Amino acid sequence: DGGITQSPKYLFRKEGQNVTLSCEQNLNHDAMYWYRQDPGQGLRLIYYSQIVNDFQKGDIAEGYSVSREKKESFPLTVTSAQKNPTAFYLCASIKGNYGYTFGSGTRLTVV
Amino acid sequence: DAKTTQPPSMDCAEGRAANLPCNHSTISGNEYVYWYRQIHSQGPQYIIHGLKNNETNEMASLIITEDRKSSTLILPHATLRDTAVYYCIVRVSGNFNKFYFGSGTKLNVKP
Repeated sequence: DGGITQSPKYLFRKEGQNVTLSCEQNLNHDAMYWYRQDPGQGLRLIYYSQIVNDFQKGDIAEGYSVSREKKESFPLTVTSAQKNPTAFYLCASIKGNYGYTFGSGTRLTVV
Repeated sequence: DAKTTQPPSMDCAEGRAANLPCNHSTISGNEYVYWYRQIHSQGPQYIIHGLKNNETNEMASLIITEDRKSSTLILPHATLRDTAVYYCIVRVSGNFNKFYFGSGTKLNVKP
C-alpha cells in the first residue's frame, strides 16, 4: 500500500544536539510538507517543498532545516537553534486536487 | 488561501448525527473546502472535500451554502470512534503553496 512513513515514532534529544526526522513517501506525490503540533494546538507549517531540490519556509522555520534531494524523501533536521523543539511533528504530501496524506508523526522530546 | 473559523468543541450522542460547522467568509471562487480529522497522537485523516455542490462519501456528507461562505460536515451516525479534532481548511485546486490548519473542533461523542 502507498503511504507516508515517518521515523522514528519517538525521539529524544539532548540540549544542543541536532536530530533528523525521516519522511518517505511512495505515492509519487510532488509536494511535501512538515508541520509542528503542540499539545492542544493546531498544525503550524515549518517547511514545504513543491519539487525536488526546491523548498520554502513556512511560518515557523527558524531552528529547522530540510532537504529534498529525491521526490520520495523530505527529511527535517531540528537544530540546536530551535529553543523549544519538544512537539509532535507531522509530514504530509499532496498531488493535484487531492487532499493531504499524512504520516503517523514523530514525537520529539528534549531531555 | 482563505482562513476558517470553527467552534472549539462540540458534543454529540452516540448514534445521532454530528453537524460540525465551519465559516470561510473570504473564500474565493476557485478554493475548495476540505475536511480532515485527527484522532489523538495520529496524523490527520482526509474525510471529504467540495467546491460548491454538496458531497457525500462513505464517511460523511459536506453541505456548502449557496454563497459558499460556510459549510457543515455531517457524520450521519456518530460512534465513539468518531471522537476526534475536526479541521476545516480551504485551498486552491492544484495550489501547492502553504495553507492553514486552525485549531479545529474537538468532537466528543458520548454514549
